[in-house]
Amino acid sequence: DTAVSQTPKYLVTQMGNDKSIKCEQNLGHDTMYWYKQDSKKFLKIMFSYNNKELIINETVPNRFSPKSPDKAHLNLHINSLELGDSAVYFCASSQTGSGGYTFGSGTRLTVV
Amino acid sequence: QQPVQSPQAVILREGEDAVINCSSSKALYSVHWYRQKHGEAPVFLMILLKGGEQKGHDKISASFNEKKQQSSLYLTASQLSYSGTYFCGTGEAQGAQKLVFGQGTRLTINP
Repeated sequence: DTAVSQTPKYLVTQMGNDKSIKCEQNLGHDTMYWYKQDSKKFLKIMFSYNNKELIINETVPNRFSPKSPDKAHLNLHINSLELGDSAVYFCASSQTGSGGYTFGSGTRLTVV
Repeated sequence: QQPVQSPQAVILREGEDAVINCSSSKALYSVHWYRQKHGEAPVFLMILLKGGEQKGHDKISASFNEKKQQSSLYLTASQLSYSGTYFCGTGEAQGAQKLVFGQGTRLTINP
């Protein structure tokens, strides 16, 4: 059983399009995250949700809109995609107060 | 602010030891260590908490110097499977719901 699953794994799209990435975790964790990893491998937090509530929004353009319908799901919708949005987006989850993060396998987004 | 890792890259022969350092300018509550292989997700290795003990499993261990806001990851008698990029992630408060990651240290183990 996959602990944190993301779909799709690859996404190639044109500038200006809108796309979504979905994430689900079956670990019973109460916190979920979106991280962006750029071409230099830098992992930067975008959003953090705790029990469906937005906790952290790290000055991400408002073209990015996360949604958490329940504590096991966290989706990311991106409007008006730009070339600079090309990166690998990782979903992760953790349980507050214990242990580390479990990352999904990532979504490689390429904007052309 | 992003923690700083050193070295940026290291190449070893199988069986040699390695130390990767992580330094922050901010007071820390926790330090996480992760390993990421090419094309894969980061995998959690261990967490060190303020006031906690040095952690370790198998031949990988880590320490956390709270006064200096520094952590070190020790890989002993390295194996080929240890190759990858190692990241430290720092948390500033108990229950802090974000980790700030260092820039990564690329470790290559050759036979």
